[in-house]
Amino acid sequence: GDSVTQMEGPVTLSEEAFLTINCTYTATGYPSLFWYVQYPGEGLQLLLKATKADDKGSNKGFEATYRKETTSFHLEKGSVQVSDSAVYFCALSLQGAQKLVFGQGTRLTINP
Amino acid sequence: SQTIHQWPATLVQPVGSPLSLECTVEGTSNPNLYWYRQAAGRGLQLLFYSVGIGQISSEVPQNLSASRPQDRQFILSSKKLLLSDSGFYLCAWSVVAGGGNTEAFFGQGTRLTVV
Repeated sequence: GDSVTQMEGPVTLSEEAFLTINCTYTATGYPSLFWYVQYPGEGLQLLLKATKADDKGSNKGFEATYRKETTSFHLEKGSVQVSDSAVYFCALSLQGAQKLVFGQGTRLTINP
Repeated sequence: SQTIHQWPATLVQPVGSPLSLECTVEGTSNPNLYWYRQAAGRGLQLLFYSVGIGQISSEVPQNLSASRPQDRQFILSSKKLLLSDSGFYLCAWSVVAGGGNTEAFFGQGTRLTVV
Protein backbone atom coordinates (compact mmCIF):
# COMPACT_ATOMS: atom_id res chain seq x y z
CA GLY A 1 0.00 0.00 0.00
CA ASP A 2 0.89 3.67 -0.06
CA SER A 3 3.28 4.71 2.68
CA VAL A 4 5.71 7.37 3.87
CA THR A 5 8.93 6.65 5.73
CA GLN A 6 10.73 9.38 7.61
CA MET A 7 14.10 9.67 9.20
CA GLU A 8 14.10 8.36 12.75
CA GLY A 9 14.23 11.01 15.43
CA PRO A 10 14.87 12.76 17.59
CA VAL A 11 17.27 15.05 15.80
CA THR A 12 19.29 17.55 17.83
CA LEU A 13 21.34 20.30 16.18
CA SER A 14 23.06 23.51 17.15
CA GLU A 15 21.77 26.85 15.93
CA GLU A 16 22.91 27.75 12.40
CA ALA A 17 23.58 24.10 11.50
CA PHE A 18 22.43 22.58 8.22
CA LEU A 19 19.31 20.44 8.45
CA THR A 20 18.20 17.45 6.43
CA ILE A 21 15.21 15.29 7.35
CA ASN A 22 14.84 12.37 4.98
CA CYS A 23 11.49 11.28 3.59
CA THR A 24 10.81 8.52 1.08
CA TYR A 25 7.49 7.29 -0.17
CA THR A 26 5.77 4.36 -1.83
CA ALA A 27 2.75 5.14 -3.96
CA THR A 28 0.81 3.47 -6.74
CA GLY A 29 0.11 6.70 -8.61
CA TYR A 30 1.51 10.20 -8.82
CA PRO A 31 1.19 11.74 -5.38
CA SER A 32 1.37 15.28 -4.14
CA LEU A 33 3.92 15.58 -1.33
CA PHE A 34 3.78 17.73 1.78
CA TRP A 35 5.76 18.71 4.84
CA TYR A 36 3.79 19.68 7.92
CA VAL A 37 5.23 21.20 11.10
CA GLN A 38 3.83 20.84 14.61
CA TYR A 39 5.05 23.29 17.24
CA PRO A 40 4.71 22.23 20.91
CA GLY A 41 1.10 21.97 22.03
CA GLU A 42 -0.32 22.95 18.65
CA GLY A 43 -1.92 21.37 15.61
CA LEU A 44 -0.14 20.72 12.32
CA GLN A 45 0.61 23.53 9.89
CA LEU A 46 1.38 23.04 6.23
CA LEU A 47 5.02 24.03 5.73
CA LEU A 48 5.48 23.36 2.02
CA LYS A 49 4.27 21.16 -0.79
CA ALA A 50 5.08 19.90 -4.28
CA THR A 51 2.55 18.49 -6.70
CA LYS A 52 4.71 17.00 -9.46
CA ALA A 53 8.15 15.60 -10.15
CA ASP A 54 11.07 18.06 -9.90
CA ASP A 55 8.89 20.69 -8.20
CA LYS A 56 10.59 22.43 -5.29
CA GLY A 57 8.46 23.54 -2.36
CA SER A 58 9.85 26.28 -0.13
CA ASN A 59 8.78 28.31 2.89
CA LYS A 60 10.48 30.00 5.86
CA GLY A 61 13.92 28.98 4.58
CA PHE A 62 12.93 25.31 4.27
CA GLU A 63 13.05 23.52 0.92
CA ALA A 64 12.14 20.11 -0.42
CA THR A 65 12.38 18.78 -3.98
CA TYR A 66 10.07 16.12 -5.37
CA ARG A 67 12.40 13.40 -6.69
CA LYS A 68 10.43 10.81 -8.59
CA GLU A 69 13.48 8.74 -9.52
CA THR A 70 14.40 8.20 -5.86
CA THR A 71 10.81 8.53 -4.52
CA SER A 72 12.03 11.10 -2.03
CA PHE A 73 11.06 14.49 -0.64
CA HIS A 74 13.82 15.40 1.80
CA LEU A 75 13.40 18.54 3.90
CA GLU A 76 16.39 20.91 4.09
CA LYS A 77 17.30 24.21 5.69
CA GLY A 78 20.64 25.91 5.43
CA SER A 79 20.78 27.48 8.88
CA VAL A 80 18.36 26.41 11.58
CA GLN A 81 17.13 28.54 14.47
CA VAL A 82 15.95 27.66 17.97
CA SER A 83 12.42 28.56 16.83
CA ASP A 84 12.53 25.69 14.30
CA SER A 85 12.29 23.18 17.13
CA ALA A 86 9.16 21.17 16.37
CA VAL A 87 7.92 17.85 15.02
CA TYR A 88 8.01 17.55 11.23
CA PHE A 89 5.69 15.26 9.28
CA CYS A 90 6.09 14.18 5.68
CA ALA A 91 2.85 13.23 3.90
CA LEU A 92 1.45 12.29 0.52
CA SER A 93 -1.91 12.32 -1.15
CA LEU A 94 -3.01 10.56 -4.28
CA GLN A 95 -5.35 11.85 -6.92
CA GLY A 96 -8.90 10.96 -6.04
CA ALA A 97 -7.98 9.64 -2.59
CA GLN A 98 -9.84 10.99 0.41
CA LYS A 99 -7.00 10.69 2.87
CA LEU A 100 -3.46 11.83 3.36
CA VAL A 101 -0.80 9.31 4.32
CA PHE A 102 1.58 10.59 7.01
CA GLY A 103 5.02 9.54 8.07
CA GLN A 104 5.69 8.90 11.73
CA GLY A 105 7.10 12.38 12.39
CA THR A 106 10.60 13.56 13.27
CA ARG A 107 11.20 15.58 16.41
CA LEU A 108 13.77 18.34 15.87
CA THR A 109 15.45 20.20 18.72
CA ILE A 110 17.73 23.16 18.06
CA ASN A 111 20.06 24.20 20.84
CA PRO A 112 21.37 27.78 21.13
CA SER B 1 -10.82 32.51 4.31
CA GLN B 2 -11.34 29.11 5.81
CA THR B 3 -10.90 28.45 9.53
CA ILE B 4 -11.27 25.42 11.72
CA HIS B 5 -12.31 25.53 15.35
CA GLN B 6 -11.73 22.73 17.78
CA TRP B 7 -12.69 22.66 21.47
CA PRO B 8 -11.97 22.29 24.24
CA ALA B 9 -8.22 22.84 24.15
CA THR B 10 -7.60 20.66 27.20
CA LEU B 11 -9.76 18.17 29.03
CA VAL B 12 -9.27 15.96 32.06
CA GLN B 13 -11.86 13.22 32.41
CA PRO B 14 -12.22 10.25 34.79
CA VAL B 15 -12.19 6.69 33.49
CA GLY B 16 -15.67 5.58 32.50
CA SER B 17 -16.98 9.08 31.82
CA PRO B 18 -18.38 10.15 28.43
CA LEU B 19 -16.56 12.29 25.90
CA SER B 20 -17.62 14.81 23.31
CA LEU B 21 -15.13 16.80 21.25
CA GLU B 22 -16.41 19.20 18.65
CA CYS B 23 -14.90 20.57 15.48
CA THR B 24 -16.39 23.12 13.08
CA VAL B 25 -15.12 24.52 9.82
CA GLU B 26 -15.94 27.92 8.38
CA GLY B 27 -15.56 29.33 4.91
CA THR B 28 -15.91 26.16 2.86
CA SER B 29 -18.64 23.76 1.81
CA ASN B 30 -18.74 19.98 1.80
CA PRO B 31 -15.24 19.49 3.17
CA ASN B 32 -13.79 16.13 4.01
CA LEU B 33 -13.36 15.98 7.79
CA TYR B 34 -10.97 13.91 9.87
CA TRP B 35 -10.20 12.98 13.47
CA TYR B 36 -6.63 12.01 14.30
CA ARG B 37 -5.07 10.94 17.58
CA GLN B 38 -1.48 11.51 18.57
CA ALA B 39 -0.21 9.59 21.57
CA ALA B 40 2.66 11.14 23.53
CA GLY B 41 5.80 11.23 21.38
CA ARG B 42 4.15 9.24 18.62
CA GLY B 43 2.91 9.86 15.10
CA LEU B 44 -0.59 10.51 13.83
CA GLN B 45 -3.26 7.85 13.85
CA LEU B 46 -6.31 8.44 11.66
CA LEU B 47 -9.41 7.53 13.64
CA PHE B 48 -12.34 8.62 11.45
CA TYR B 49 -13.01 10.52 8.29
CA SER B 50 -16.16 11.79 6.65
CA VAL B 51 -16.89 12.81 3.09
CA GLY B 52 -20.40 14.11 3.79
CA ILE B 53 -23.21 14.50 6.31
CA GLY B 54 -23.90 11.22 8.07
CA GLN B 55 -21.06 9.45 6.24
CA ILE B 56 -18.40 8.17 8.64
CA SER B 57 -15.51 5.83 7.92
CA SER B 58 -13.72 4.23 10.84
CA GLU B 59 -10.06 3.41 10.49
CA VAL B 60 -9.40 1.51 13.72
CA PRO B 61 -11.63 -0.46 16.09
CA GLN B 62 -12.01 1.29 19.43
CA ASN B 63 -14.52 2.61 21.91
CA LEU B 64 -14.73 5.97 20.13
CA SER B 65 -17.34 7.04 17.60
CA ALA B 66 -17.78 10.01 15.30
CA SER B 67 -20.76 11.84 13.90
CA ARG B 68 -21.33 14.55 11.32
CA PRO B 69 -24.72 16.11 12.02
CA GLN B 70 -24.07 19.14 9.80
CA ASP B 71 -21.91 19.78 6.75
CA ARG B 72 -19.18 21.60 8.67
CA GLN B 73 -19.46 19.95 12.08
CA PHE B 74 -17.63 16.84 13.17
CA ILE B 75 -17.99 15.32 16.65
CA LEU B 76 -15.86 12.70 18.37
CA SER B 77 -17.56 10.80 21.19
CA SER B 78 -17.17 8.03 23.67
CA LYS B 79 -19.69 6.52 26.09
CA LYS B 80 -17.01 5.34 28.53
CA LEU B 81 -13.45 6.57 28.42
CA LEU B 82 -10.47 4.29 28.99
CA LEU B 83 -7.04 5.29 30.27
CA SER B 84 -5.66 4.42 26.84
CA ASP B 85 -7.84 7.11 25.26
CA SER B 86 -5.49 9.78 26.60
CA GLY B 87 -3.75 11.70 23.86
CA PHE B 88 -3.79 14.72 21.63
CA TYR B 89 -6.80 14.76 19.31
CA LEU B 90 -6.64 16.69 16.08
CA CYS B 91 -9.46 17.60 13.75
CA ALA B 92 -8.69 18.37 10.12
CA TRP B 93 -10.48 19.26 6.91
CA SER B 94 -9.37 18.93 3.35
CA VAL B 95 -10.06 20.15 -0.13
CA VAL B 96 -9.13 18.73 -3.47
CA ALA B 97 -6.26 20.95 -4.58
CA GLY B 98 -4.76 21.42 -8.01
CA GLY B 99 -4.11 18.14 -9.76
CA GLY B 100 -6.90 16.41 -7.90
CA ASN B 101 -4.91 15.70 -4.76
CA THR B 102 -6.08 16.27 -1.20
CA GLU B 103 -4.54 18.99 0.98
CA ALA B 104 -5.36 18.99 4.70
CA PHE B 105 -5.66 21.76 7.31
CA PHE B 106 -5.61 21.11 11.03
CA GLY B 107 -7.21 22.51 14.15
CA GLN B 108 -5.22 23.39 17.25
CA GLY B 109 -5.93 20.10 18.96
CA THR B 110 -7.45 18.89 22.23
CA ARG B 111 -5.21 17.46 24.93
CA LEU B 112 -7.28 14.73 26.65
CA THR B 113 -6.06 13.18 29.87
CA VAL B 114 -8.07 10.29 31.28
CA VAL B 115 -7.43 9.77 34.99
